[in-house]
Amino acid sequence: EVQLVESGGGLVQPGGSLRLSCVVSGFTVASNYMSWVRQAPGKGLEWVSVIYIDGNTYYADSVKGRFTISRDNSKNTLYLQMNNLRAEDTAVYYCARDFSHRQFDYWGQGTLVTVSS
Amino acid sequence: QSALTQPASVSGSPGQSITISCTGTSSDVGGYNYVSWYQQHPGKAPKLMIFGVSNRPSGVSNRFSGSKSGNTASLTISGLQAEDEADYYCSSYPGSSTYVIFGGGTKLTVL
Repeated sequence: EVQLVESGGGLVQPGGSLRLSCVVSGFTVASNYMSWVRQAPGKGLEWVSVIYIDGNTYYADSVKGRFTISRDNSKNTLYLQMNNLRAEDTAVYYCARDFSHRQFDYWGQGTLVTVSS
Repeated sequence: QSALTQPASVSGSPGQSITISCTGTSSDVGGYNYVSWYQQHPGKAPKLMIFGVSNRPSGVSNRFSGSKSGNTASLTISGLQAEDEADYYCSSYPGSSTYVIFGGGTKLTVL
């Protein structure tokens, strides 16, 4: 059975940092494209970042230079390091398997990040 | 990277059919067949319902179908059921890019 379980969300002050984790079972993270997608409260979906099988990484303009996607192959885990957080980064963050051209077939349950003073 | 345009809400009665539109441009929806549709119930993660414009993942009811004409993609749900009440999002991958664009979402109400 495929499972993606995110953790690491919480309340953080503007300018602060958080690292989100996504532990995957049922498939190998390193053999798949993996993305983070977020959803602000009451809003729509927004793609955040992707890591390719070859390790290349790409980001939405809104987070470029502040967020870093990575993976630990030994732990089959995906990460999102978020620095210099802003109020507009407040959202539920989902990890998802990108099976073909940014189309996502497996999603985690999401973890809420709240940026507020 | 403007969001794709979806109606804010649609509604239908049980047993009826509804269609949700998703309008983009020739650079995304109209130019490539990488359009997906997701269903999201309140407080839940999105669920893939259609990929590649018109393909259904295993386990998704054949009441759900997708199509595309020009710069507009459509999701049709036939034989509406109460459990279909949810938010629906389209997405499009502009080929040779690295990002994906989502629509603003459509709230489906089953009357």
